[in-house]
Amino acid sequence: GENVEQHPSTLSVQEGDSAVIKCTYSDSASNYFPWYKQELGKRPQLIIDIRSNVGEKKDQRIAVTLNKTAKHFSLHITETQPEDSAVYFCAAGGRRALTFGSGTRLQVQP
Amino acid sequence: DAGVIQSPRHEVTEMGQEVTLRCKPISGHDYLFWYRQTMMRGLELLIYFNNNVPIDDSGMPEDRFSAKMPNASFSTLKIQPSEPRDSAVYFCASKEGLGDFTDTQYFGPGTRLTVL
Repeated sequence: GENVEQHPSTLSVQEGDSAVIKCTYSDSASNYFPWYKQELGKRPQLIIDIRSNVGEKKDQRIAVTLNKTAKHFSLHITETQPEDSAVYFCAAGGRRALTFGSGTRLQVQP
Repeated sequence: DAGVIQSPRHEVTEMGQEVTLRCKPISGHDYLFWYRQTMMRGLELLIYFNNNVPIDDSGMPEDRFSAKMPNASFSTLKIQPSEPRDSAVYFCASKEGLGDFTDTQYFGPGTRLTVL
């Protein structure tokens, strides 16, 4: 089955700086890579996703890149704000049910 | 739509007791997923249903866990007997039935289970 590894497990940045979270996956058949944000005590919510037919996707301050050859994808958050503080999960799947990474706790210091 | 609904939101029980968690998916969604979230193991898929039929239960940890979906608008996850290591947040999620898994899963608010 699919194995997704996510790094780092915790990340602390200053407000206004950029944050990058990286994931690798093992199943070359995976073709869908969503990112979920989970605020403390809340449910995971989709913030952006990418399919294997594109290499990059942007939505305002958030971008995701995908390298199919290397089997890794990354989440980039620019101009971070305190409200970006949360746990972020990557996932991989598409042909099969999603497998989630272990999560990254992002803390944005004001 | 109210989104995915789960009940109860919090459950505290004693070891050995039966626990039943409930989920109502978004209307029209054909897939329903049960996840367990813990600090140690992260977000684990336990089982998922398609059109009320269990498709993959390989994530169900033990025979003490069972799940049913008697109709398109209701599913249960039962633990009998419960053990302290079952303490976790259990999420239900649903998605439309597009035949694969390249569409958005919507999570419910979760049930925080504590087994004493």
